[in-house]
Amino acid sequence: DIQLTQSPFFLSASVGDRVTITCRATQGISNSLAWYQQKPGKAPKLLIYGASTLESGVPSRFSGSGSGTEFTLTISSLQPEDFATYYCQQPNSYPYTFGQGTNLEIK
Amino acid sequence: QVQLQESGPGLVRPSQTLSLTCGVSGYAISGGYYWGWIRQAPGKGLEWIGSIYYGGTTYYNASLKSRVTISEDTSKNQISLKLSSVTAADTAMYYCAREIAGYGAFDVWGQGTMVTVSS
Repeated sequence: DIQLTQSPFFLSASVGDRVTITCRATQGISNSLAWYQQKPGKAPKLLIYGASTLESGVPSRFSGSGSGTEFTLTISSLQPEDFATYYCQQPNSYPYTFGQGTNLEIK
Repeated sequence: QVQLQESGPGLVRPSQTLSLTCGVSGYAISGGYYWGWIRQAPGKGLEWIGSIYYGGTTYYNASLKSRVTISEDTSKNQISLKLSSVTAADTAMYYCAREIAGYGAFDVWGQGTMVTVSS
């Protein structure tokens, strides 16, 4: 199975900050990577797929990049509603796997 | 607008079979998307259980494969999940979701249904 490791596990930031979350895969997955945002008690919400394609309706302050084994999710200017847990997911091969999550908290 | 709604028992006894359904509205499941089940144990991360494509082709997580069955009912426009021989480790929030064709990402999710395995 392809394992995904996210870093950092916890991230404390302020409104207006630029933040980056990294997701590393144990083997190359081309650009087959998605990013999700999850708030407490809610289902995950798709932000990015194909490593860099912004899902319809997602604010442009979110962006994704990378290919192969290393990927990043960047939020250019944090808004209050962005404090949540973020997961990466690889759909390159079965079984689909998710990263362990990054908890983004208000500083 | 596509909407998904999971339903099923909130409590399942150990060794029994967990059975959930996912009702789909706003889109015919025969239209060609994949439909998946994902679960999340309390305080933990996300785990993909499996996916089904129209016509019945299924893909399962090998860690659960011997216990999982995902099926479709086009007449009711719903997807079903059965997980046999459950233990406390199967206690989780269970989500159904639509998979973007060709990308494997899940773009529409149900609200989830919590299943507790306990005697």
